[in-house]
Amino acid sequence: QKEVEQDPGPLSVPEGAIVSLNCTYSNSAFQYFMWYRQYSRKGPELLMYTYSSGNKEDGRFTAQVDKSSKYISLFIRDSQPSDSATYLCAMSEVTGGGADGLTFGKGTHLIIQP
Amino acid sequence: NAGVMQNPRHLVRRRGQEARLRCSPMKGHSHVYWYRQLPEEGLKFMVYLQKENIIDESGMPKERFSAEFPKEGPSILRIQQVVRGDSAAYFCASSSLETQYFGPGTRLLVL
Repeated sequence: QKEVEQDPGPLSVPEGAIVSLNCTYSNSAFQYFMWYRQYSRKGPELLMYTYSSGNKEDGRFTAQVDKSSKYISLFIRDSQPSDSATYLCAMSEVTGGGADGLTFGKGTHLIIQP
Repeated sequence: NAGVMQNPRHLVRRRGQEARLRCSPMKGHSHVYWYRQLPEEGLKFMVYLQKENIIDESGMPKERFSAEFPKEGPSILRIQQVVRGDSAAYFCASSSLETQYFGPGTRLLVL
């Protein structure tokens, strides 16, 4: 069983829709959760990070963590064609995520149709 | 405020040659991480370094790969005697013990 599972997609939705991206994990030691966005042939760009169960909102993005179910989500409201990219979830056993190698999901390829 | 810098952005090597990838962390960051992204695969952690110290190399292949982060200058990931399976995107990230920020990557192609 892989440590982090993420549906690779592609996930195609119309512009303006609410997008839901998800990851499940098996390692209960993970404490810190991140979402990165990666455009084709570019480096990952940090979108959101959180370490507690519940919701964290930043503009059009909401990160949700359910540690009891080992499940995290990223919601994108009012999706735009510029949101088309691969979205990577990442996790760390260390609070802060900076003193540990991150464990990534394979990424979900998102396409926003104009 | 410059981000994480990596060079070269693209590198072509023939089998058996050496590849040297460089990473300069963000200003104020003293922690560097290397990751590899194979085609159709996720990012895989390779090694975590601080200045002059390897903290965690649990993701590094046992042979041909090495990394350093000297007191002065960039961090270097070295791959000796490259094989076609080494073809991948190699990303460097840096942090100040907060969340990691990634560079643009070096795309290595082994012919």
